[in-house]
Amino acid sequence: GENVEQHPSTLSVQEGDSAVIKCTYSDSASNYFPWYKQELGKGPQLIIDIRSNVGEKKDQRIAVTLNKTAKHFSLHITETQPEDSAVYFCAASVPGTYKYIFGTGTRLKVLA
Amino acid sequence: DAGVIQSPRHEVTEMGQEVTLRCKPISGHDYLFWYRQTMMRGLELLIYFNNNVPIDDSGMPEDRFSAKMPNASFSTLKIQPSEPRDSAVYFCASSYDRGEQYFGPGTRLTVT
Repeated sequence: GENVEQHPSTLSVQEGDSAVIKCTYSDSASNYFPWYKQELGKGPQLIIDIRSNVGEKKDQRIAVTLNKTAKHFSLHITETQPEDSAVYFCAASVPGTYKYIFGTGTRLKVLA
Repeated sequence: DAGVIQSPRHEVTEMGQEVTLRCKPISGHDYLFWYRQTMMRGLELLIYFNNNVPIDDSGMPEDRFSAKMPNASFSTLKIQPSEPRDSAVYFCASSYDRGEQYFGPGTRLTVT
């Protein structure tokens, strides 16, 4: 079945720097890759997603890239701000279903 | 809209007791998901419904867990009997027509 690996598990950056979180997936038939942000005491919230027919998607300071050949996708946050501090999860769809397999999460700390 | 509503937010119970978690999805959404989040296993899908019908319950850990959705605005996840290893944060999420999944704030369950 589908497996998603996420790295790093923790990431500290200085305010204003960029942050990159990487995920790999195992099932080449996966076609949808959402990214979620989870703040302390809250549920995950979708911040950006990408489908397999697109290589890159950008929304203001957030971008996601997808390499289908290598089966990996990445989240890029530019000009980081303290409010970006949270746990970020990647996910990959399970082909033929409406299920996602989530990565193990990355705790991002933006240092002021 | 108030978003996905879960109750209770915190539950502490003794091993062997029955626990019932409740969820009210966003009005108009036709999909409802129950997830469990632990440090060891991350975010796992337990079961999901479409139009109140269970579609996939392959993530339900064992017979002690059961979920129902008697109508479009209410779902329950029941654990009977509860065990300490069931301690986790349980999230409910809903979506419309396979779109973005909106998560509730979660129920933190502690079984002593």
